[in-house]
Order: sequence, then structure tokens, then C-alpha cells
Amino acid sequence: DQQVKQNSPSLSVQEGRISILNCDYTNSMFDYFLWYKKYPAEGPTFLISISSIKDKNEDGRFTVFLNKSAKHLSLHIVPSQPGDSAVYFCAASARGTYKYIFGTGTRLKVLA
Amino acid sequence: DTGVSQDPRHKITKRGQNVTFRCDPISEHNRLYWYRQTLGQGPEFLTYFQNEAQLEKSRLLSDRFSAERPKGSFSTLEIQRTEQGDSAMYLCASSPRGFDEQYFGPGTRLTVT
Repeated sequence: DQQVKQNSPSLSVQEGRISILNCDYTNSMFDYFLWYKKYPAEGPTFLISISSIKDKNEDGRFTVFLNKSAKHLSLHIVPSQPGDSAVYFCAASARGTYKYIFGTGTRLKVLA
Repeated sequence: DTGVSQDPRHKITKRGQNVTFRCDPISEHNRLYWYRQTLGQGPEFLTYFQNEAQLEKSRLLSDRFSAERPKGSFSTLEIQRTEQGDSAMYLCASSPRGFDEQYFGPGTRLTVT
């Protein structure tokens, strides 16, 4: 049972345009969400997080939106840069636990 | 750089052998996690420690897997009687007190032949 789903395995975007990566979850107990970026041969790197008391969190070029009623979150990267090309994972945890469930990832390719 | 380190980076072993991996977290991070990642999948939670206490363990973890974190510093993950299905990248991560963000190490790639 995949509790965190990233239904798009890959995405290509032109440099300078917006990249939108999506994530859906099924467990209504999830209340904290993180996005990670992963380059080949490296461990994931933390990007941005959001708790369920917010619907938006912004950090530079990265913005995460949370729609609790739809159990959906998205990561917006604008403007996209070639260095953003990587695999992006969303992860979720429920209140009272530090156990994180990861999605299967979306490979983003930013074309110069 | 005092990031999370893992040793070894690569391990090839024959089926049935035991293997042990080590993780050194960022200094003063009180939580330490182990994950397994296979091709095309996200990191899969195995277990986590808060200081030296192992607080949660995945039901997916069979009795052949054991993890320790003596004195709340480095951690070891041992796999006994390895099987070909154990071939994966084993990732370690740590978190500072009061924060959810996890800082990952580079991983140990295990190949069971």
C-alpha cells in the first residue's frame, strides 16, 4: 500500500520556466511533509518542508503548496535552472512519530 | 565537512554471509535513521533511534536485520544470512533535536551474489 504517491516518474522543463512536481497521500494522519532532491551517487538533500497548519511555504525559488482536503502537495520551482535536474522525493509523517514515508520520486530534467 | 558518513560505500558479498554497515551521524544530532532504497523506489524506512533507544522498527525488517546505536553516537546495521533480495542502497540519516529535516549520508550499496 503506497501511502505517498508521485505519479509522474519524469518531467522535462525548459530553463527559466516553472517546474511543478506533485505528490498525493492517502493517510489523513500525515501532518508534516518534506521535499528532498537527490543527485546520482549522493544521498537525498533536504529542500523544503510544510506542516499541516499551513497551506504554503516559500524558500527562494522553491514553494510548497499543501491542499489537505485533496491530500495533495506540490513543489514549484521558479525559475527552473539546469542544476535543478535531479530526482525529487516527497515524504510524509504523522503527528507523534518521526517515521517518514517517501514517494517513489520524480526525475526532473531542466533543458538549457 | 562534518556531514553524515557511511562505511563502506560499496559491499559485495555472497549469499548467506553476514554484513555490517556503519553510520556516523552529524555531531549532536540525537535522531538517527536507516533506510533501504532499491532502483526506481524512494527510501524505505527501516528503523530509527533517538539517542541510544531504538524507537521504531519497520515490520518489513526481518529477524535477519539488527541495528544498534551504542552510547547514542554512531550506529551499525547488520544483515545476517544475506539473500539476493537484500541487494539495495542502505541510507543513513540524522536529525537535530527539535527539527524534522533529515540529513542523509551517501549510502552503502550492497550487492549479494
